[in-house]
Amino acid sequence: GDSVTQMEGPVTLSEEAFLTINCTYTATGYPSLFWYVQYPGEGLQLLLKATKADDKGSNKGFEATYRKETTSFHLEKGSVQVSDSAVYFCALIINDMRFGAGTRLTVKP
Amino acid sequence: DTEVTQTPKHLVMGMTNKKSLKCEQHMGHRAMYWYKQKAKKPPELMFVYSYEKLSINESVPSRFSPECPNSSLLNLHLHALQPEDSALYLCASSRSGTGVNSPLHFGNGTRLTVT
Repeated sequence: GDSVTQMEGPVTLSEEAFLTINCTYTATGYPSLFWYVQYPGEGLQLLLKATKADDKGSNKGFEATYRKETTSFHLEKGSVQVSDSAVYFCALIINDMRFGAGTRLTVKP
Repeated sequence: DTEVTQTPKHLVMGMTNKKSLKCEQHMGHRAMYWYKQKAKKPPELMFVYSYEKLSINESVPSRFSPECPNSSLLNLHLHALQPEDSALYLCASSRSGTGVNSPLHFGNGTRLTVT
């Protein structure tokens, strides 16, 4: 079935470090891909999306490119801030949304 | 600010109680969802309503009963819950029930504790 695999966390970085969170997917069709972020005590917020191969989603300095050849959608940010500390979920939709396990990011000053 | 509003934010209930969780959206979305999220886990789909009709029920125990009074409102009625049902219950909506271009918009959830 359709599924998403994320890198294991937690991830701890210093402020201004480069961030990569790996995400790969398995799907029988052509999914749309998403990154969601969950801050403590809140629901999930849509961070960015890509709907077809080679699309790049971007928001708040975060980027991810839909790579069909490697079935990947890795999340990157060039310079993280303390306020980026949260749990990040990769997800796909074909008929219903499937989430990865989530990656907890902690950014230290 | 989230455009999906859930009430209450916190709920503590005994195993014999009956309570309801409420969710409201005014984005004109035609699909609404209930998810359950345990600590340090991703959300798990419980129910999907598409155009006010239940379209997906992921084998959820009958002590959870969803209701969609209209396209803007979604309720989850709770009865005779177990302590293991304690979790964050998230409501979400999307423009349509299926399709690859309908991301979900989530509320901030109801933190449920069953004692």
